[in-house]
Amino acid sequence: GAVVSQHPSRVICKSGTSVKIECRSLDFQATTMFWYRQFPKQSLMLMATSNEGSKATYEQGVEKDKFLINHASLTLSTLTVTSAHPEDSSFYICSALRHRIYEQYFGPGTRLTVT
Amino acid sequence: AQSVAQPEDQVNVAEGNPLTVKCTYSVSGNPYLFWYVQYPNRGLQFLLKYITGDNLVKGSYGFEAEFNKSQTSFHLKKPSALVSDSALYFCAVRETGAGSYQLTFGKGTKLSVIP
Repeated sequence: GAVVSQHPSRVICKSGTSVKIECRSLDFQATTMFWYRQFPKQSLMLMATSNEGSKATYEQGVEKDKFLINHASLTLSTLTVTSAHPEDSSFYICSALRHRIYEQYFGPGTRLTVT
Repeated sequence: AQSVAQPEDQVNVAEGNPLTVKCTYSVSGNPYLFWYVQYPNRGLQFLLKYITGDNLVKGSYGFEAEFNKSQTSFHLKKPSALVSDSALYFCAVRETGAGSYQLTFGKGTKLSVIP
């Protein structure tokens, strides 16, 4: 149990376009999901906390207008990278909080490459 | 503010030998402590956690970790390393009762098990 999926697993897009990444909790409901960014050989950096039915909470230094987060249901959160640039290329990982045990379950990640 | 230190960027161990991956933490109150493993281009997999109780925590794949409050440490251990254990290991902490479920991660330790 406690499976979290991400789609797509990898995406290549051209500079200036927007890319949407989906994060789904498959067998539990998650009112809270987290989005992380990971650079090569580095740790996970929390970008934002996504709460179902309300606005996401962004970490300091993360541009809200560039990284749009929508948590429209208890099993789905989306991250849209708007007007992507090569410096947005990274590995994006989501996690879903399982409230009964307050544990985060991580998705497999999405490799974004902006050319 | 909470923080996690993983003092070793890389740990090399021979197959069959015991392994230790070090982690120290800093929180204002009581900690929840976690270990995750990440394989290349994959998300994080949960290994084990310490919430309360017995200081020795047993987890997945034969791993265990010992919570040491006086030394603020939570080192990951395994009695006999396998080549398949080679991966990136992250220690994470969350402060209990903080009202936030955000995890703070260490920078990761790359474990290489040599055949």
